[in-house]
Amino acid sequence: GDSVTQMEGPVTLSEEAFLTINCTYTATGYPSLFWYVQYPGEGLQLLLKATKADDKGSNKGFEATYRKETTSFHLEKGSVQVSDSAVYFCALSANSGNTPLVFGKGTRLSVIA
Amino acid sequence: DSGVTQTPKHLITATGQRVTLRCSPRSGDLSVYWYQQSLDQGLQFLIQYYNGEERAKGNILERFSAQQFPDLHSELNLSSLELGDSALYFCASSVSRTGSGYTFGSGTRLTVV
Repeated sequence: GDSVTQMEGPVTLSEEAFLTINCTYTATGYPSLFWYVQYPGEGLQLLLKATKADDKGSNKGFEATYRKETTSFHLEKGSVQVSDSAVYFCALSANSGNTPLVFGKGTRLSVIA
Repeated sequence: DSGVTQTPKHLITATGQRVTLRCSPRSGDLSVYWYQQSLDQGLQFLIQYYNGEERAKGNILERFSAQQFPDLHSELNLSSLELGDSALYFCASSVSRTGSGYTFGSGTRLTVV
C-alpha cells in the first residue's frame, strides 16, 4: 500500500543552521505530496505542497521539491530559528489527490539558540 | 484558530466504557477526516465522510464508528475502550472529496485508565 518514510528524529540544530528532513514515498498513480508542521499542543498545519513531478513547494523559508525519479520530497530550510522547533510530517495523497492523506511518523526538530 | 473545532479537548475514562468525540468542520468544508495519533503508530487514518456519506475507511477498529450529520459536524464513537486506545484523535476538514490539503483541529486527548 501507499506509505511515507521519514528520517527518524529527534533532530537538534543550532539557530541559523541548515535543515534537511528526508522523506521518501511509495504510492500508486501520481500522488500529491505535503509537509505538515505540528507545534506543541496544536493540530497539524499545512506547511507546503506539490502536486506533480518537479514542482517545488515553498513557505516561510521552507522548500521541498517533488522528485519522481527518486520518489522523494525532502524538506529544507537554509537558516532555522528557535521558533521552527516542532514536529514535521511528510504526507501523500495517492491518485492525484483522490485518497485520504497518508502520513509519515513525523520528525521532531529542536532548534537551540 | 484553524476553524475546525473539536470537543472535548481532554477525556479520561475507564476501560470498557464508551465515549463520543465531536468535530465541527471549517465553514464551507464538506469532507471530514478522523485520525488517531499515538507515539508508536504515528498518524493513522480512520475514516472520511463527505457531505454526510462515508467515503473512505482506513484502520478503524470495529469497536469504533463515526457519522456525519446534515449540519456537517461529525462524531467519532469509541466503545469497549482498551488501554491501547489512549491517543490523540484529530479531526480534519477539506472543501472537497480529495486530499488537496486539510485543516486540522487541535485534537482530543483520550486517556483510558
